[in-house]
Amino acid sequence: EPEVTQTPSHQVTQMGQEVILRCVPISNHLYFYWYRQILGQKVEFLVSFYNNEISEKSEIFDDQFSVERPDGSNFTLKIRSTKLEDSAMYFCASRASGATSSYNEQFFGPGTRLTVL
Amino acid sequence: GNSVTQMEGPVTLSEEAFLTINCTYTATGYPSLFWYVQYPGEGLQLLLKATKADDKGSNKGFEATYRKETTSFHLEKGSVQVSDSAVYFCALIQSGYSTLTFGKGTMLLVSP
Repeated sequence: EPEVTQTPSHQVTQMGQEVILRCVPISNHLYFYWYRQILGQKVEFLVSFYNNEISEKSEIFDDQFSVERPDGSNFTLKIRSTKLEDSAMYFCASRASGATSSYNEQFFGPGTRLTVL
Repeated sequence: GNSVTQMEGPVTLSEEAFLTINCTYTATGYPSLFWYVQYPGEGLQLLLKATKADDKGSNKGFEATYRKETTSFHLEKGSVQVSDSAVYFCALIQSGYSTLTFGKGTMLLVSP
């Protein structure tokens, strides 16, 4: 069964460093998402991506964040200068296209735990 | 804005007990409602969904009914198993959008 994969499973970094979190969505999916969950808090939407551009982003997704689909398979989230409060579990998700977007299931990866020291 | 509120966990039950996890929401218009489950070490998996009022979503013995009058989508199962131990997330998608708004999640622990 096709699945979304994420690497690494755990990333530890120093404050101020750049990190890149990687995701491989399901191969025929066209919509891609990043969510995060700070420990003990809600899963929060960060950004959605379609047709090689950002389609929607939340207030959390400021200039420190960027997303890219560098090739036909990977979807990355970059944090340019990490802060302590960026420590969280980051989930990637993808979904197929569909006329009625809210009905289509988003498939999630297992997450990357980012720890900023 | 949209929000989802779930009961605090962990919920601890014995095998074959009845499960209810409460979920209420605030949203504009008529959202679609979802329950996701996260087993240890895995990603979020869609458990069930309902797209309009009075719809009942069901899967693997779990059920939830979209109650617009009470803005609720409570998850129920008549007889839980140890393998149901996981974190359960209630979520919504506002009509016309595709992004999920999640609750904080409720951990369920089922003992033999």
